[in-house]
Amino acid sequence: AQSVSQHNHHVILSEAASLELGCNYSYGGTVNLFWYVQYPGQHLQLLLKYFSGDPLVKGIKGFEAEFIKSKFSFNLRKPSVQWSDTAEYFCAATGTSYDKVIFGPGTSLSVIP
Amino acid sequence: DADVTQTPRNRITKTGKRIMLECSQTKGHDRMYWYRQDPGLGLRLIYYSFDVKDINKGEISDGYSVSRQAQAKFSLSLESAIPNQTALYFCATSKTGSPGANVLTFGAGSRLTVL
Repeated sequence: AQSVSQHNHHVILSEAASLELGCNYSYGGTVNLFWYVQYPGQHLQLLLKYFSGDPLVKGIKGFEAEFIKSKFSFNLRKPSVQWSDTAEYFCAATGTSYDKVIFGPGTSLSVIP
Repeated sequence: DADVTQTPRNRITKTGKRIMLECSQTKGHDRMYWYRQDPGLGLRLIYYSFDVKDINKGEISDGYSVSRQAQAKFSLSLESAIPNQTALYFCATSKTGSPGANVLTFGAGSRLTVL
């Protein structure tokens, strides 16, 4: 069955620390991958997406993610987090454009000033 | 004005009551979705619709029904609410056509509490 897993339920970092959030997917064939962010009290927003091409994709607010096909992974990274990055982060995946989007369980990030 | 509007934003109801959550969008998107969010479980798909005459069950459709009244409107109903349907519900939209077909635009959410 298609699924998305995220390695950490809750991550706590100090400002300026580096961030890496793990995401693994279980899909056969073509896969489209996404990271969404939900800031406290707000709706989900797209952070970045991968459809094809360069496996290193850059998103908003200095975030990037790397698609590693051999590891079925799409980890999110940021070299230096800020307090304003405190949010919940969701990895999501889909196959073809007619497939539904499946979300992972989310990782809650708390950044301490 | 928000691109995807959900009403009500908050609702408290009692077990057995019928509840309708409404979603309207001004994005001009043809695809609409209902998800529920529970702590530690992420977002789970309830129902989705790729156009006005298309309705599909998602992962957790039991206890829910939907109506796609127009391209811009997609309602979620709980015929007889139960406490484990207490959750945050999100409506989302997307537009058919590669590569954006699966890029979702979310509403602000409807928090439902069933007592």
